[in-house]
Amino acid sequence: GQQLNQSPQSMFIQEGEDVSMNCTSSSIFNTWLWYKQEPGEGPVLLIALYKAGELTSNGRLTAQFGITRKDSFLNISASIPSDVGIYFCAGSNSGGSNYKLTFGKGTLLTVNP
Amino acid sequence: NAGVTQTPKFQVLKTGQSMTLQCAQDMNHEYMSWYRQDPGMGLRLIHYSVGAGITDQGEVPNGYNVSRSTTEDFPLRLLSAAPSQTSVYFCASSRTISPGSIETQYFGPGTRLLVL
Repeated sequence: GQQLNQSPQSMFIQEGEDVSMNCTSSSIFNTWLWYKQEPGEGPVLLIALYKAGELTSNGRLTAQFGITRKDSFLNISASIPSDVGIYFCAGSNSGGSNYKLTFGKGTLLTVNP
Repeated sequence: NAGVTQTPKFQVLKTGQSMTLQCAQDMNHEYMSWYRQDPGMGLRLIHYSVGAGITDQGEVPNGYNVSRSTTEDFPLRLLSAAPSQTSVYFCASSRTISPGSIETQYFGPGTRLLVL
């Protein structure tokens, strides 16, 4: 099946720094999603990307859908302590009978105040 | 709206026991799914449903059964629990925009299961 490689696995940064993480795939997706999960909670959608080349922002978060449709990145600017959590990318090729999301293994972000 | 709700929050089972994890959504979403989350593995799809009466297998379906008798509910049944099923289970739902296309999924808070 399709696999997503998400990197880095973990990051430890100082408050105020910018953060960048990315996902790559061996095959094409037509939708990329970025989720954040806090301890003891389910993943919460941050940004959804539906078009190759699309660049979308949500506050301090910016994500892009790669031109090749095989990658996506998420940037967080001016990090704050509440950015701590696990960030997941997910890809989908919804079409026909395919309703499945494939998730990356996550990037654990720690922000030092 | 309560969104996606899951019960129980925690459960401890002995090997061989059976149980049902409950999932309900009040958003009239057509699409519902179950994932398990294990350390270092991300989320893996167990089963999903595109509407009442319709279910299909995901990436890791063995040892689990599902049914979808109503739009609101999508229970996950463990037939004979094994230690390998120790995990955190998440239910998710989304609106189906058109055949073959789903809107983004919204997740419940999870059920933490320990099988001894």
